[in-house]
Amino acid sequence: QKEVEQNSGPLSVPEGAIASLNCTYSDRGSQSFFWYRQYSGKSPELIMSIYSNGDKEDGRFTAQLNKASQYVSLLIRDSQPSDSATYLCAVNPTGSGNTGKLIFGQGTTLQVKP
Amino acid sequence: DAGVIQSPRHEVTEMGQEVTLRCKPISGHNSLFWYRQTMMRGLELLIYFNNNVPIDDSGMPEDRFSAKMPNASFSTLKIQPSEPRDSAVYFCASNTGQGELQPQHFGDGTRLSIL
Repeated sequence: QKEVEQNSGPLSVPEGAIASLNCTYSDRGSQSFFWYRQYSGKSPELIMSIYSNGDKEDGRFTAQLNKASQYVSLLIRDSQPSDSATYLCAVNPTGSGNTGKLIFGQGTTLQVKP
Repeated sequence: DAGVIQSPRHEVTEMGQEVTLRCKPISGHNSLFWYRQTMMRGLELLIYFNNNVPIDDSGMPEDRFSAKMPNASFSTLKIQPSEPRDSAVYFCASNTGQGELQPQHFGDGTRLSIL
């Protein structure tokens, strides 16, 4: 079992729809979770972080965390063509101390069609 | 503020040559991470440093790969000898190294092609 799993996609949604991206992780002791966006040919950029169970909203983005189910998701409301990218889920594993080590999923490719 | 700076942006070289990738982390960041990204394997952590000390190099694929961090503002990843299967995008990232809640910030990457 991979430590962080994501459906590779592509996930295709029409412009204006809600895109739902999902991620599961195996390390039950993980405490911090991040979503990165990566445009083709570019480096990953942080878009959301979440540490507590529940929802965290930032503009059109909502991150959801359920530690009991070891599940974290990212919702993108009113999807735009400019949201088309690969979304990487990252988890801070237990035992990494204060170093900030992250384990990344393979990423989900999102396509927003005009 | 300047972000993570990597050089070169692109490197094309022949098999067997030595390749050196360079990284300057964000000033004040104490942790530095080297990643390799390919279509097949995604983003893989190769090695990371905290306060210039290598903490975990279990991701380094083999002895041909080595990394150093001689001071807080500079790190290198060296491949010697290089092979075609080393072709990938190599990213450097840094964070404050002050707790698990701190995100990593990535450089623009080095696109490496071994012919």
